Amino acid sequence: KQEVTQIPAALSVPEGENLVLNCSFTDSAIYNLQWFRQDPGKGLTSLLLIQSSQREQTSGRLNASLDKSSGRSTLYIAASQPGDSATYLCAAKAGNAGNMLTFGGGTRLMVKP
Amino acid sequence: EAQVTQNPRYLITVTGKKLTVTCSQNMNHEYMSWYRQDPGLGLRQIYYSMNVEVTDKGDVPEGYKVSRKEKRNFPLILESPSPNQTSLYFCASSPSGKGGTQYFGPGTRLTVL
Repeated sequence: KQEVTQIPAALSVPEGENLVLNCSFTDSAIYNLQWFRQDPGKGLTSLLLIQSSQREQTSGRLNASLDKSSGRSTLYIAASQPGDSATYLCAAKAGNAGNMLTFGGGTRLMVKP
Repeated sequence: EAQVTQNPRYLITVTGKKLTVTCSQNMNHEYMSWYRQDPGLGLRQIYYSMNVEVTDKGDVPEGYKVSRKEKRNFPLILESPSPNQTSLYFCASSPSGKGGTQYFGPGTRLTVL
Protein backbone atom coordinates (compact mmCIF):
# COMPACT_ATOMS: atom_id res chain seq x y z
CA LYS A 1 0.00 0.00 0.00
CA GLN A 2 1.30 3.42 -0.94
CA GLU A 3 2.52 5.63 1.90
CA VAL A 4 3.37 9.28 1.45
CA THR A 5 5.45 11.21 3.97
CA GLN A 6 6.21 14.90 4.18
CA ILE A 7 9.06 16.34 6.17
CA PRO A 8 9.20 18.67 7.98
CA ALA A 9 5.71 18.85 9.42
CA ALA A 10 6.15 22.56 10.07
CA LEU A 11 8.56 25.20 8.84
CA SER A 12 9.04 28.85 9.70
CA VAL A 13 11.23 31.09 7.53
CA PRO A 14 11.83 34.82 7.11
CA GLU A 15 10.42 36.53 4.06
CA GLY A 16 12.62 36.32 0.97
CA GLU A 17 14.15 32.94 1.68
CA ASN A 18 14.20 30.17 -0.87
CA LEU A 19 12.89 26.94 0.59
CA VAL A 20 12.35 23.28 -0.23
CA LEU A 21 9.51 21.06 0.91
CA ASN A 22 10.02 17.33 0.76
CA CYS A 23 7.68 14.49 -0.15
CA SER A 24 8.57 10.81 -0.21
CA PHE A 25 6.50 7.84 -1.35
CA THR A 26 7.01 4.12 -0.91
CA ASP A 27 5.64 2.74 -4.20
CA SER A 28 7.46 4.15 -7.22
CA ALA A 29 4.76 2.89 -9.62
CA ILE A 30 2.89 6.17 -9.51
CA TYR A 31 0.92 7.72 -12.36
CA ASN A 32 1.54 11.29 -11.28
CA LEU A 33 2.27 13.41 -8.24
CA GLN A 34 0.38 16.56 -7.34
CA TRP A 35 1.19 19.41 -4.97
CA PHE A 36 -1.62 21.30 -3.26
CA ARG A 37 -1.92 24.30 -1.03
CA GLN A 38 -4.46 24.41 1.80
CA ASP A 39 -5.34 27.60 3.64
CA PRO A 40 -6.98 27.40 7.08
CA GLY A 41 -10.66 26.63 6.82
CA LYS A 42 -10.52 26.32 3.06
CA GLY A 43 -10.26 23.65 0.43
CA LEU A 44 -7.22 22.51 -1.49
CA THR A 45 -5.80 24.42 -4.41
CA SER A 46 -3.77 22.52 -6.96
CA LEU A 47 -0.31 24.03 -7.51
CA LEU A 48 1.55 21.65 -9.77
CA LEU A 49 1.07 18.21 -11.25
CA ILE A 50 3.99 16.12 -12.46
CA GLN A 51 3.33 13.14 -14.69
CA SER A 52 5.39 10.01 -14.04
CA SER A 53 7.30 10.60 -17.27
CA GLN A 54 8.30 14.12 -16.27
CA ARG A 55 11.13 15.30 -14.05
CA GLU A 56 9.80 18.70 -13.07
CA GLN A 57 7.12 21.34 -13.47
CA THR A 58 7.31 25.07 -12.92
CA SER A 59 4.73 27.72 -12.20
CA GLY A 60 5.92 31.20 -11.30
CA ARG A 61 8.04 30.99 -8.15
CA LEU A 62 7.22 27.31 -7.68
CA ASN A 63 9.16 24.39 -9.05
CA ALA A 64 8.33 20.77 -8.35
CA SER A 65 10.63 17.88 -9.16
CA LEU A 66 10.00 14.15 -9.27
CA ASP A 67 12.46 11.29 -8.87
CA LYS A 68 10.49 8.06 -9.11
CA SER A 69 13.48 5.80 -8.60
CA SER A 70 14.21 7.28 -5.20
CA GLY A 71 10.56 7.82 -4.32
CA ARG A 72 10.92 11.56 -3.81
CA SER A 73 9.42 14.84 -4.89
CA THR A 74 10.39 18.32 -3.83
CA LEU A 75 8.57 21.63 -4.03
CA TYR A 76 10.90 24.60 -4.33
CA ILE A 77 9.53 28.02 -3.45
CA ALA A 78 11.68 30.95 -4.50
CA ALA A 79 11.74 34.29 -2.70
CA SER A 80 9.08 33.32 -0.19
CA GLN A 81 6.39 35.83 0.79
CA PRO A 82 4.02 36.04 3.79
CA GLY A 83 1.20 35.16 1.39
CA ASP A 84 2.85 31.77 0.87
CA SER A 85 1.98 30.82 4.44
CA ALA A 86 -0.26 27.75 4.24
CA THR A 87 -0.15 23.98 4.50
CA TYR A 88 1.38 22.26 1.50
CA LEU A 89 0.27 18.75 0.64
CA CYS A 90 1.67 16.30 -1.85
CA ALA A 91 -0.40 13.44 -3.24
CA ALA A 92 0.61 10.46 -5.32
CA LYS A 93 -1.79 8.94 -7.80
CA ALA A 94 -1.74 5.17 -8.08
CA GLY A 95 -0.66 3.67 -11.37
CA ASN A 96 -3.95 1.86 -11.84
CA ALA A 97 -7.26 3.39 -12.80
CA GLY A 98 -9.43 5.33 -10.40
CA ASN A 99 -7.45 8.52 -9.94
CA MET A 100 -7.04 7.57 -6.29
CA LEU A 101 -4.74 9.96 -4.51
CA THR A 102 -2.67 9.08 -1.45
CA PHE A 103 -1.86 12.21 0.51
CA GLY A 104 1.05 13.07 2.71
CA GLY A 105 0.47 14.66 6.11
CA GLY A 106 1.45 18.10 4.88
CA THR A 107 4.01 20.75 5.75
CA ARG A 108 2.70 23.82 7.55
CA LEU A 109 4.68 26.80 6.27
CA MET A 110 4.90 30.15 8.01
CA VAL A 111 6.69 32.98 6.22
CA LYS A 112 7.43 35.85 8.58
CA PRO A 113 7.57 39.45 7.32
CA GLU B 1 -16.88 30.41 -12.59
CA ALA B 2 -15.58 26.84 -12.71
CA GLN B 3 -15.98 25.35 -9.28
CA VAL B 4 -16.90 22.51 -6.98
CA THR B 5 -19.56 23.41 -4.44
CA GLN B 6 -20.53 21.59 -1.26
CA ASN B 7 -23.49 22.01 1.05
CA PRO B 8 -23.76 22.46 3.89
CA ARG B 9 -20.42 23.96 4.85
CA TYR B 10 -20.99 23.25 8.54
CA LEU B 11 -23.25 20.68 10.15
CA ILE B 12 -23.79 19.55 13.71
CA THR B 13 -26.00 16.49 14.12
CA VAL B 14 -26.69 13.63 16.49
CA THR B 15 -25.84 9.97 16.29
CA GLY B 16 -28.09 7.99 14.00
CA LYS B 17 -29.78 10.87 12.19
CA LYS B 18 -29.38 10.33 8.45
CA LEU B 19 -27.75 13.14 6.55
CA THR B 20 -26.62 14.00 3.04
CA VAL B 21 -23.79 16.28 2.00
CA THR B 22 -24.21 17.50 -1.54
CA CYS B 23 -21.43 18.07 -4.06
CA SER B 24 -21.81 19.66 -7.45
CA GLN B 25 -19.33 20.62 -10.17
CA ASN B 26 -19.92 22.77 -13.24
CA MET B 27 -16.89 21.68 -15.27
CA ASN B 28 -18.43 18.65 -16.96
CA HIS B 29 -15.89 16.44 -15.19
CA GLU B 30 -16.26 12.70 -15.44
CA TYR B 31 -14.46 11.86 -12.20
CA MET B 32 -15.62 12.83 -8.72
CA SER B 33 -14.42 11.79 -5.31
CA TRP B 34 -15.00 12.25 -1.59
CA TYR B 35 -12.26 12.60 1.03
CA ARG B 36 -12.21 13.09 4.75
CA GLN B 37 -9.46 14.95 6.58
CA ASP B 38 -8.58 14.18 10.19
CA PRO B 39 -5.73 15.49 12.37
CA GLY B 40 -2.81 13.09 12.30
CA LEU B 41 -4.39 10.96 9.59
CA GLY B 42 -4.38 13.39 6.69
CA LEU B 43 -6.73 13.14 3.74
CA ARG B 44 -8.23 9.77 2.97
CA GLN B 45 -10.45 8.81 0.09
CA ILE B 46 -13.94 7.55 0.93
CA TYR B 47 -15.56 6.85 -2.45
CA TYR B 48 -14.97 7.83 -6.03
CA SER B 49 -16.91 7.81 -9.28
CA MET B 50 -15.39 7.38 -12.71
CA ASN B 51 -18.60 8.46 -14.45
CA VAL B 52 -22.37 8.45 -14.14
CA GLU B 53 -23.65 5.30 -12.42
CA VAL B 54 -20.07 4.12 -11.77
CA THR B 55 -18.87 4.31 -8.16
CA ASP B 56 -16.22 2.47 -6.17
CA LYS B 57 -14.81 2.34 -2.67
CA GLY B 58 -11.76 4.24 -1.57
CA ASP B 59 -9.69 3.65 1.54
CA VAL B 60 -12.34 4.33 4.19
CA PRO B 61 -15.84 3.60 2.80
CA GLU B 62 -17.43 2.09 5.92
CA GLY B 63 -20.49 4.00 7.09
CA TYR B 64 -20.88 5.99 3.87
CA LYS B 65 -22.90 5.70 0.69
CA VAL B 66 -22.73 7.63 -2.55
CA SER B 67 -24.67 7.87 -5.78
CA ARG B 68 -23.93 9.34 -9.20
CA LYS B 69 -27.17 9.73 -11.09
CA GLU B 70 -26.06 12.88 -12.88
CA LYS B 71 -22.64 13.89 -14.08
CA ARG B 72 -22.53 17.10 -12.06
CA ASN B 73 -23.68 15.77 -8.68
CA PHE B 74 -22.09 13.31 -6.26
CA PRO B 75 -23.83 13.32 -2.87
CA LEU B 76 -22.32 11.68 0.21
CA ILE B 77 -24.84 9.92 2.42
CA LEU B 78 -24.39 8.96 6.05
CA GLU B 79 -27.28 6.62 6.84
CA SER B 80 -26.55 6.40 10.57
CA PRO B 81 -23.80 8.84 11.55
CA SER B 82 -21.56 8.07 14.49
CA PRO B 83 -19.14 10.30 16.43
CA ASN B 84 -16.13 8.76 14.64
CA GLN B 85 -17.45 10.32 11.44
CA THR B 86 -16.84 13.77 12.84
CA SER B 87 -14.43 15.18 10.29
CA LEU B 88 -13.76 17.69 7.54
CA TYR B 89 -15.09 16.38 4.23
CA PHE B 90 -13.94 17.39 0.78
CA CYS B 91 -15.43 16.68 -2.61
CA ALA B 92 -13.17 16.78 -5.65
CA SER B 93 -13.49 16.40 -9.40
CA SER B 94 -11.21 15.98 -12.38
CA PRO B 95 -11.76 15.74 -16.13
CA SER B 96 -11.22 12.00 -16.17
CA GLY B 97 -10.29 9.13 -13.92
CA LYS B 98 -7.07 8.53 -15.79
CA GLY B 99 -5.28 11.32 -14.02
CA GLY B 100 -5.07 15.05 -14.18
CA THR B 101 -5.52 17.90 -11.78
CA GLN B 102 -8.16 17.39 -9.12
CA TYR B 103 -10.27 20.38 -8.13
CA PHE B 104 -11.51 20.50 -4.57
CA GLY B 105 -14.60 21.95 -2.98
CA PRO B 106 -14.40 24.24 0.08
CA GLY B 107 -15.09 21.46 2.57
CA THR B 108 -17.89 20.49 4.94
CA ARG B 109 -17.15 20.39 8.64
CA LEU B 110 -19.32 17.71 10.21
CA THR B 111 -19.75 17.16 13.94
CA VAL B 112 -21.68 14.12 15.15
CA LEU B 113 -22.66 14.27 18.82
